[in-house]
Amino acid sequence: AQSVTQLGSHVSVSEGALVLLRCNYSSSVPPYLFWYVQYPNQGLQLLLKYTSAATLVKGINGFEAEFKKSETSFHLTKPSAHMSDAAEYFCAVTGSGTSYGKLTFGQGTILTVHP
Amino acid sequence: NAGVTQTPKFQVLKTGQSMTLQCAQDMNHNSMYWYRQDPGMGLRLIYYSASEGTTDKGEVPNGYNVSRLNKREFSLRLESAAPSQTSVYFCASSEQLQETQYFGPGTRLLVL
Repeated sequence: AQSVTQLGSHVSVSEGALVLLRCNYSSSVPPYLFWYVQYPNQGLQLLLKYTSAATLVKGINGFEAEFKKSETSFHLTKPSAHMSDAAEYFCAVTGSGTSYGKLTFGQGTILTVHP
Repeated sequence: NAGVTQTPKFQVLKTGQSMTLQCAQDMNHNSMYWYRQDPGMGLRLIYYSASEGTTDKGEVPNGYNVSRLNKREFSLRLESAAPSQTSVYFCASSEQLQETQYFGPGTRLLVL
């Protein structure tokens, strides 16, 4: 069965600092991988997705993620944090076979940005 | 173009009561999904519908039923609510299975 682990339930950074949110997955290859963002009291919005094309994926709001098959990782980064980036971030994976089309989410990482 | 809409936004139930959560999408998507979100557990799939006329169980289907009323609408029913079903429920849709899912704003359900 596929699974997703997000390392760190809370990450705190200063405005202007690098943002790094970690995600490791367990799935059949090739997986489809996603990062979603959730602002308070809202639904989830897609940040970016990997679908076996380029391993470095660029998303909205300056975020990007790199698929590393050897490390089974899909970490999310942003060079310079902005106050508006404060939210909860979810990594998710779909797979093949009985997991086809079903999103499995990580536990989420709450990002806090300090002035 | 409203995307995915859900009603109600908030509901309080007593244990044993029933209710139906409504979801509709206007993107002509084939696939629709119901998730629940609990603190520290991410989102978990309850049921999904790959296409009109089909429904399948997800990770946590016990205590729920679904109906794919037509291509636009996918409802989730709690026949006899339990406090363990207190959660935030999200509906989502995608063009096909495996494609990007678009989420509604959620329904907050409190079961007393």
